[in-house]
Amino acid sequence: DTAVSQTPKYLVTQMGNDKSIKCEQNLGHDTMYWYKQDSKKFLKIMFSYNNKELIINETVPNRFSPKSPDKAHLNLHINSLELGDSAVYFCASSQGLAGGRYEQYFGPGTRLTVT
Amino acid sequence: AQSVTQLGSHVSVSEGALVLLRCNYSSSVPPYLFWYVQYPNQGLQLLLKYTSAATLVKGINGFEAEFKKSETSFHLTKPSAHMSDAAEYFCAVSGSGTASKLTFGTGTRLQVTL
Repeated sequence: DTAVSQTPKYLVTQMGNDKSIKCEQNLGHDTMYWYKQDSKKFLKIMFSYNNKELIINETVPNRFSPKSPDKAHLNLHINSLELGDSAVYFCASSQGLAGGRYEQYFGPGTRLTVT
Repeated sequence: AQSVTQLGSHVSVSEGALVLLRCNYSSSVPPYLFWYVQYPNQGLQLLLKYTSAATLVKGINGFEAEFKKSETSFHLTKPSAHMSDAAEYFCAVSGSGTASKLTFGTGTRLQVTL
């Protein structure tokens, strides 16, 4: 049973297109996250949601819009894709919000390539 | 604000040798500290975490880390490297506030040679 799943695993698209990445967790967690890992493997948080409420919104272009229809899902929609958006995007979830003490469980990642 | 510095972007050890991956942190509040491992083309998996209990933390796959407040360090060790340990290792720090985020280091690639 996959704990945190993401679709698609690979996404190749052209500049200017709009795309979405879906994330689902079956761990019963109430906090979910999106991270971006660049070509140098640097990981940076983009967003976090707790019970469908936005908690963390890092300095991310407003072309990126997260949507949480329920506690188990956090999708990422990207408008007007740019070359610099090429990266691996990871979804994660954790048990609670009380600071960062809780382990985050990561999905397998979505490799986005913008041409 | 928190940050972590991982010394050495690439570490190479022989199979059976000691593994030492260095991590120093900066935090204005008592930190939570984590080590994650990333195998090729996979997501991150937690190796171990420090949450202000014992300063010596044991994790999975024979790894352990010691929290040293005086040195602001949280180095990861394993007595004997195995070929399967080859991966990217990330140190991360977080605070305790409700909106605290996990801040990752730049990662250390561990290579294990015969």
